[in-house]
Amino acid sequence: GENVEQHPSTLSVQEGDSAVIKCTYSDSASNYFPWYKQELGKRPQLIIDIRSNVGEKKDQRIAVTLNKTAKHFSLHITETQPEDSAVYFCAASPPGNTPLVFGKGTRLSVIA
Amino acid sequence: DTAVSQTPKYLVTQMGNDKSIKCEQNLGHDTMYWYKQDSKKFLKIMFSYNNKELIINETVPNRFSPKSPDKAHLNLHINSLELGDSAGYFCASSQGVEGEKLFFGSGTQLSVL
Repeated sequence: GENVEQHPSTLSVQEGDSAVIKCTYSDSASNYFPWYKQELGKRPQLIIDIRSNVGEKKDQRIAVTLNKTAKHFSLHITETQPEDSAVYFCAASPPGNTPLVFGKGTRLSVIA
Repeated sequence: DTAVSQTPKYLVTQMGNDKSIKCEQNLGHDTMYWYKQDSKKFLKIMFSYNNKELIINETVPNRFSPKSPDKAHLNLHINSLELGDSAGYFCASSQGVEGEKLFFGSGTQLSVL
């Protein structure tokens, strides 16, 4: 089945710097790649997603890139702010009735 | 309006007890899930239901039994609670399964003493 690896597990950046989180997946048939943000004590919430027919997608300070050949995708956050501090999860959607498979999460700390 | 609502938010109970967590979604979605989140924050699928039918049942002890009375509700009943059951439990829903966004409930933090 699908396996999603996520790195790094923790990341600390200075406010205003960029943060990059990387994920790899194993099933070349996976076709949908969302990113979720989970603040302390809250539910995971979708922040951006990308489908396999697109290489890059941007939404204000957040962007996601997808390399289907290498089977990896990345989340880029520019001009980080303290409110970006949270756990971020990548996920991949295999074909058929298999639910989203999540990476193990990255705890991002933005230091003011 | 809360799209996916889950109760209770906190559940503290003794070993050996039986407890239930309720979940309801008002998004009209066909598919609902239960995920378990351990202390390291890893989100692991437990069950998936599509139109009230079980489609995914990962390696979960028989003490965990999901119940879907209709496609808007997916409840989780846990028998004979053990210390290792302490975790966060998140309900979620999506329109379908493949390539669909998940909407999560607010979570239930279960502590077994």
